[in-house]
Amino acid sequence: GEDVEQSLFLSVREGDSSVINCTYTDSSSTYLYWYKQEPGAGLQLLTYIFSNMDMKQDQRLTVLLNKKDKHLSLRIADTQTGDSAIYFCASWDTNAGKSTFGDGTTLTVKP
Amino acid sequence: DAMVIQNPRYQVTQFGKPVTLSCSQTLNHNVMYWYQQKSSQAPKLLFHYYDKDFNNEADTPDNFQSRRPNTSFCFLDIRSPGLGDAAMYLCATSRTGWETQYFGPGTRLLVL
Repeated sequence: GEDVEQSLFLSVREGDSSVINCTYTDSSSTYLYWYKQEPGAGLQLLTYIFSNMDMKQDQRLTVLLNKKDKHLSLRIADTQTGDSAIYFCASWDTNAGKSTFGDGTTLTVKP
Repeated sequence: DAMVIQNPRYQVTQFGKPVTLSCSQTLNHNVMYWYQQKSSQAPKLLFHYYDKDFNNEADTPDNFQSRRPNTSFCFLDIRSPGLGDAAMYLCATSRTGWETQYFGPGTRLLVL
């Protein structure tokens, strides 16, 4: 089955850029997602990218997809303290008909 | 306006006492999912409904059951909760299987 992996922790200073990385194993993944989870809350979809795209930008968020290396990244520009949360990468597994989530990256933003 | 609603937000139950968690949606989506999330872990899919078709994950314990009486509502029943079932339970919906999933705020279950 699909395996999605992320680094567990990232710490940045307010105003810096954050880059959260993710790798996946299923080359047939059609959609790749980034979700944000704040303490005690559900998952909030931040953005997604279709597998035939290399890049998607949405305000402070930039998603880069390297399909050859099965590598996905989320860049947050001008990171704010309100961006502190857990960020989950997920891929849509066409064969299994479900999403597979990574274990999440805890982003800590220091003032 | 909330689109995926989960009740209650916090649930305390006793070891072995059946408990039901509720999810409702105003999106008229075809698919509803139940996930279990333990601390600092990825959400784990328990099962999902595509309309009325129930799809159980192979490793979901028999202790977990689900009902979807209509498009808007879906319930998670835990027949005999154990201490290991304490977790956050997340409900999500999507229009079709591969489209964006919209998550509810979750129900945190505590088993005493």
